[in-house]
Amino acid sequence: DAGVTQSPTHLIKTRGQQVTLRCSPKSGHDTVSWYQQALGQGPQFIFQYYEEEERQRGNFPDRFSGHQFPNYSSELNVNALLLGDSALYLCASSLLGTGGTDTQYFGPGTRLTVL
Amino acid sequence: AQSVSQHNHHVILSEAASLELGCNYSYGGTVNLFWYVQYPGQHLQLLLKYFSGDPLVKGIKGFEAEFIKSKFSFNLRKPSVQWSDTAEYFCAVNSGGSNYKLTFGKGTLLTVNP
Repeated sequence: DAGVTQSPTHLIKTRGQQVTLRCSPKSGHDTVSWYQQALGQGPQFIFQYYEEEERQRGNFPDRFSGHQFPNYSSELNVNALLLGDSALYLCASSLLGTGGTDTQYFGPGTRLTVL
Repeated sequence: AQSVSQHNHHVILSEAASLELGCNYSYGGTVNLFWYVQYPGQHLQLLLKYFSGDPLVKGIKGFEAEFIKSKFSFNLRKPSVQWSDTAEYFCAVNSGGSNYKLTFGKGTLLTVNP
């Protein structure tokens, strides 16, 4: 049973560029949440997708956007990258629908470095 | 808005010592509480969780936590740590349902010396 997978593992971009990160949820899960973990900090909630719609959103600017596909996988897009966007981006999956679980399972993360 | 405070940034213990990591949250309503662990080079894993019922919760690998509502606390404990417990520990809280956004503390790095 595959857990949460994320790609790529590492990414280096320059300021002003755009980036897309990808996440495949744990088998059987239908909900994907994204978190940003800056160095020395705990993860901060960006947004959550369920049924291909954004269900909740944290305090992140509109430069951060996402998408969920019919197979429940998800993308996180960040436009106009800033140095401060350098962080580990974590994806977490869970099951919101019938028989929902009560735990969010985390992937290994994508390390984004903005130069 | 919810917030979580973990007072210990870095804790260093010798094997067999007892562990207690502090976690306090601020939120006036009903909350769900979690402890996650991140071992070196690995992803975040759930150690234990509290939703309701017995305030003393047992998790994996001999960890337990006690929810004290009057103190807004959810401290993590282990009677005897091992070298393999070296990791970063995060306390987290959510409300409004178990799938709602998690608010994390800044984490506590635990180093256990053999």
